[in-house]
Amino acid sequence: NAGVTQTPKFQVLKTGQSMTLQCAQDMNHNSMYWYRQDPGMGLRLIYYSASEGTTDKGEVPNGYNVSRLNKREFSLRLESAAPSQTSVYFCASSEVKLPSGNQPQHFGDGTRLSIL
Amino acid sequence: TQLLEQSPQFLSIQEGENLTVYCNSSSVFSSLQWYRQEPGEGPVLLVTVVTGGEVKKLKRLTFQFGDARKDSSLHITAAQPGDTGLYLCAGGAGNNRKLIWGLGTSLAVNP
Repeated sequence: NAGVTQTPKFQVLKTGQSMTLQCAQDMNHNSMYWYRQDPGMGLRLIYYSASEGTTDKGEVPNGYNVSRLNKREFSLRLESAAPSQTSVYFCASSEVKLPSGNQPQHFGDGTRLSIL
Repeated sequence: TQLLEQSPQFLSIQEGENLTVYCNSSSVFSSLQWYRQEPGEGPVLLVTVVTGGEVKKLKRLTFQFGDARKDSSLHITAAQPGDTGLYLCAGGAGNNRKLIWGLGTSLAVNP
């Protein structure tokens, strides 16, 4: 059971280039998330998708777009990369079971992105 | 704005010592989750606490949720090098699918 799979694991881009980070989960979870993790800033939510067909902005959405391709896949796109977007990006998924509320999030191993 | 403050930020101890890390807020949370993150990997859930005053044990790790559901602590007994990692707490607020994350406590257990 793979859980949450992110590709690529590492990437170096030049300022202005575009790229898409891929994420897929095999746990049949409804909700998926994209975070970035920076030293001293912790995990910050970029976008999330509560269910297939919906996406919402998180704390730091500027410069990013997302696509919930189907229930399994949730991609993050940088249209014009900037050095400030150098970070480690994590995808996560969870199964929301109402009314208990928040459910544990399952994370991938991250994409380490450097923008020169 | 809901915030979760974790302390200490860094902790370096010798194998066999005991330690406690804290996660505090002025806001009430419906649940509190603890994760451990090792270098090069994503966070992995350790435990979820949902009831004020709840205590959960996971081998040498003891988790407590405050009576008012505003704070939590993680106590490790007889720490081992395998406990090294970043410990993150995350709070949930009702049916909101988003979590509020602390900045983490970086723990190093030296042999």
